[in-house]
Amino acid sequence: ETGVTQTPRHLVMGMTNKKSLKCEQHLGHNAMYWYKQSAKKPLELMFVYNFKEQTENNSVPSRFSPECPNSSHLFLHLHTLQPEDSALYLCASSPGRGGDREQYFGPGTRLTVT
Amino acid sequence: AQSVAQPEDQVNVAEGNPLTVKCTYSVSGNPYLFWYVQYPNRGLQFLLKYITGDNLVKGSYGFEAEFNKSQTSFHLKKPSALVSDSALYFCAVRDLTLNTPLVFGKGTRLSVIA
Repeated sequence: ETGVTQTPRHLVMGMTNKKSLKCEQHLGHNAMYWYKQSAKKPLELMFVYNFKEQTENNSVPSRFSPECPNSSHLFLHLHTLQPEDSALYLCASSPGRGGDREQYFGPGTRLTVT
Repeated sequence: AQSVAQPEDQVNVAEGNPLTVKCTYSVSGNPYLFWYVQYPNRGLQFLLKYITGDNLVKGSYGFEAEFNKSQTSFHLKKPSALVSDSALYFCAVRDLTLNTPLVFGKGTRLSVIA
């Protein structure tokens, strides 16, 4: 698990706050992902970056704004969230975007929107 | 569109007994299939994958899975369950032909009882 780290591990924020989630991978991978995990629902892919370029945006509301300054770092900027956005946000990385390679996940950030 | 179904929310098995966690998939082309496990307060960990070749795939911690093309299934199995196997298990599929992102099932919670 030390291959992909996420901070903070827990975050409580009000609906009017602005906060950011951070992900860092130490595996030399080129692709990075944000997922949303809600109870009893499949993992929802939010964004995909490959070589710092966004290649997937899965109809995510604009209150979620990703940033990928380099292949090792990925951010998710949050503003004016809704209570239904409370979930576990997982970051993952893989050697490339497609193909047969598995993804490596971080431990997640547990987000609570009050 | 590709999809994954995990028909059981919960599977209970006695320690030492064989376990099976079910997964069926739907893709237009050829599938890449994966199993991941999630322990409490952790991210997803890769267990095994089917890309091509032998239908029986062996993975980490003594787990294996059998690819059945005619039944479009990829069930996860282990001959003898351990209490430490208790976790949330996710099946995932990618359409090789369309090179689509990975799609996850909603997960199956496995409880191994001593």
